[in-house]
Amino acid sequence: EDQVTQSPEALRLQEGESSSLNCSYTVSGLRGLFWYRQDPGKGPEFLFTLYSAGEEKEKERLKATLTKKESFLHITAPKPEDSATYLCAVQAEKDDKIIFGKGTRLHILP
Amino acid sequence: DAGVTQSPTHLIKTRGQQVTLRCSPKSGHDTVSWYQQALGQGPQFIFQYYEEEERQRGNFPDRFSGHQFPNYSSELNVNALLLGDSALYLCASSFVVLRHGYTFGSGTRLTVV
Repeated sequence: EDQVTQSPEALRLQEGESSSLNCSYTVSGLRGLFWYRQDPGKGPEFLFTLYSAGEEKEKERLKATLTKKESFLHITAPKPEDSATYLCAVQAEKDDKIIFGKGTRLHILP
Repeated sequence: DAGVTQSPTHLIKTRGQQVTLRCSPKSGHDTVSWYQQALGQGPQFIFQYYEEEERQRGNFPDRFSGHQFPNYSSELNVNALLLGDSALYLCASSFVVLRHGYTFGSGTRLTVV
């Protein structure tokens, strides 16, 4: 069964303290892996799509990387406004369904 | 350019009642997907509509049904509401070839009492 597991569930960092969020996946044929940011009471906001192992994407303080089994979302020198839940999702080749993980709740302390 | 619009934003219903949620996709998008997100959980796929047909379905009972109209807007209907149906219901739109991720609406918060 296709599955997405994100860790840690929650992470508290001081402003400027860099770290990484992990997304492990099992899927029979990966069409794409997505990262989203979700603020409380809002819908997820698209960040990145990664298609193949070795691919990297960057946006401001965020950098997403992909291997054959997992993806990392690296956050460099975070600011309080980066506080949010970060969701990882995978799309399977066999049926195009997009499956989400439970997310990592990130809290950046000023 | 309007994004995905969902209505209503909040809704309170009684067990056993029926509810209809509505979604207008982003301009240029023709595919609508519906997700259920319980508190503290990731979104769970309900179903997807394309060309007015249900294209895919997740592991949800038949109480959950939907419709897509010729203008690509969509409705999610839930019959015989249970307390466990309380959640944030998200609508996501895309063009068939999904290269830039879904665009999500802000959701409808459904509370069943």
